[in-house]
Amino acid sequence: DTEVTQTPKHLVMGMTNKKSLKCEQHMGHRAMYWYKQKAKKPPELMFVYSYEKLSINESVPSRFSPECPNSSLLNLHLHALQPEDSALYLCASSWVDGGELFFGEGSRLTVL
Amino acid sequence: GQQLNQSPQSMFIQEGEDVSMNCTSSSIFNTWLWYKQDPGEGPVLLIALYKAGELTSNGRLTAQFGITRKDSFLNISASIPSDVGIYFCAGQRGLWGTYKYIFGTGTRLKVLA
Repeated sequence: DTEVTQTPKHLVMGMTNKKSLKCEQHMGHRAMYWYKQKAKKPPELMFVYSYEKLSINESVPSRFSPECPNSSLLNLHLHALQPEDSALYLCASSWVDGGELFFGEGSRLTVL
Repeated sequence: GQQLNQSPQSMFIQEGEDVSMNCTSSSIFNTWLWYKQDPGEGPVLLIALYKAGELTSNGRLTAQFGITRKDSFLNISASIPSDVGIYFCAGQRGLWGTYKYIFGTGTRLKVLA
């Protein structure tokens, strides 16, 4: 099973709302990632978790707050977002020593 | 953020033709991955390459890890309409536990039946 599951698939929120994106994998991977993808652009790395610890933050604004509650789950908490944050948010996972990177189907976020 | 240069940016081809695309960087990578992404979906892994010079096939797809470790190539033989989509390369670099996967700019493929 090479499945990464993301919920919700679509999310619309106002600039004052608080919402969360969720990601789950059962491949035993101990590295998990959040990427942001704008239309017609490649995915851009936001955060990397390794053994449930944040190992990379690509200078992402604090209105995005990641959380890795256990080895299978990854959350992205959203607060006070801007319309330019509207994008496809992708979760991915891999072994800690690298290799294949598997993506979920993404969460399409629209900020009004 | 850092991106890899991928070419061509887009291409129209006739069904049955072969397709070639490449990805280049000024940096060395440990692993090269190739993905296909359909609109509104997440990228789907096609091929993974782990050693310089490695040539790997997956059905009609063949990819190579460049000898310099700074580039990679993807070929699609006998294209079919369902090959339409965006193809991304991705290079992995970094230290154990802090690997980054950096993506190419993408090649948009359109197949004319």
